[in-house]
Amino acid sequence: DGGITQSPKYLFRKEGQNVTLSCEQNLNHDAMYWYRQDPGQGLRLIYYSQIVNDFQKGDIAEGYSVSREKKESFPLTVTSAQKNPTAFYLCASSALDRVAEAFFGQGTRLTVV
Amino acid sequence: AQSVTQLDSQVPVFEEAPVELRCNYSSSVSVYLFWYVQYPNQGLQLLLKYLSGSTLVKGINGFEAEFNKSQTSFHLRKPSVHISDTAEYFCAVNTGTASKLTFGTGTRLQVTL
Repeated sequence: DGGITQSPKYLFRKEGQNVTLSCEQNLNHDAMYWYRQDPGQGLRLIYYSQIVNDFQKGDIAEGYSVSREKKESFPLTVTSAQKNPTAFYLCASSALDRVAEAFFGQGTRLTVV
Repeated sequence: AQSVTQLDSQVPVFEEAPVELRCNYSSSVSVYLFWYVQYPNQGLQLLLKYLSGSTLVKGINGFEAEFNKSQTSFHLRKPSVHISDTAEYFCAVNTGTASKLTFGTGTRLQVTL
């Protein structure tokens, strides 16, 4: 089955540590996105990529980093510089020619302890 | 710039009653409009979309939405809701020239007996 896989589903991190969230897709989509979801705030875009080895900052990129070494993979690193990292993180992908329709993974819930 | 406003953060409704979830958008160019549904601790699933053509759009699970350009609205409706419709619903807009969706803050639909 085609789709987007995020792992892990739940993640705990100590303050001051970096952590990487995985996102893999087998939909052959060129574009991939990372969103952060907090209660009452909707989804906010962190980073997006339209092609391998290229990515752009979204609305809340500070404290995050990404890479796009393969078309299928778009990992997100939450660095120690992110002041409030506890949130639900969603990865999505889309075809470039229909960029507006996105397909989402099941999400990773990150908790800083 | 594009933006989306979902006027109601929560909508309680009894089972088998009709429901309308409101969405207004702001954009200076032609838009693509979407409704997504999110069940607890899961990713988002596309309910329906408006790209062009007929202003009445039918989606999955018996939902429909009407695009109203003069009122810049894209309200979601269902004539008779079920307990299983309890979820969070997000309206989103994309101008097609941008490379990302802009989401509203979400409406929590709570269906009770």
